[in-house]
Amino acid sequence: LAKTTQPISMDSYEGQEVNITCSHNNIATNDYITWYQQFPSQGPRFIIQGYKTKVTNEVASLFIPADRKSSTLSLPRVSLSDTAVYYCLVGLRGGSQGNLIFGKGTKLSVKP
Amino acid sequence: ETGVTQSPTHLIKTRGQQVTLRCSSQSGHNTVSWYQQALGQGPQFIFQYYREEENGRGNFPPRFSGLQFPNYSSELNVNALELDDSALYLCASSRGGTGNYGYTFGSGTRLTVV
Repeated sequence: LAKTTQPISMDSYEGQEVNITCSHNNIATNDYITWYQQFPSQGPRFIIQGYKTKVTNEVASLFIPADRKSSTLSLPRVSLSDTAVYYCLVGLRGGSQGNLIFGKGTKLSVKP
Repeated sequence: ETGVTQSPTHLIKTRGQQVTLRCSSQSGHNTVSWYQQALGQGPQFIFQYYREEENGRGNFPPRFSGLQFPNYSSELNVNALELDDSALYLCASSRGGTGNYGYTFGSGTRLTVV
């Protein structure tokens, strides 16, 4: 299973764009890249998923270069409520029999 | 549609005791997965149930066991509790056995073993 590396923490200010990069050098051909958001004492929440190039939804954008060895989650104009831990996951689209592999994630702190 | 609900929200147990955690899956979901999340760590996969059968298991000892019922709700049982079992236990549900339709997580049960 592909391992991911992402920064432990990031700081930002309200209204700024935040980009969190995740490295996954040994991503397999069938692997998807998925990002989850988690607030304290809550379960992770699906943000976005992609396979290649760019994916955008109402919450975020996901940029994946051609070699797929990294990906960047982009959060436009963050607010205080975006303070959370963000996890990058790489694997089969639905995990292998439910086995979503979470790392330690990136703790994003948004300041006023 | 209702989301994933877990009970209880908090629980304190003594080392050596047994505990049962419960999860009601989201409406329309037939697959349930359980995760353990220690403080400051990402969730770790325990096992998954699909149509009342375990169809995937992580690196957890046999004292972690589970059940899924005909209505797709689920239980996680932990025997002979150890101090290191203190964690947030998360339940996630999805449609189909592969999760390709996305997972919905509950808010978890905070278990403290003393």
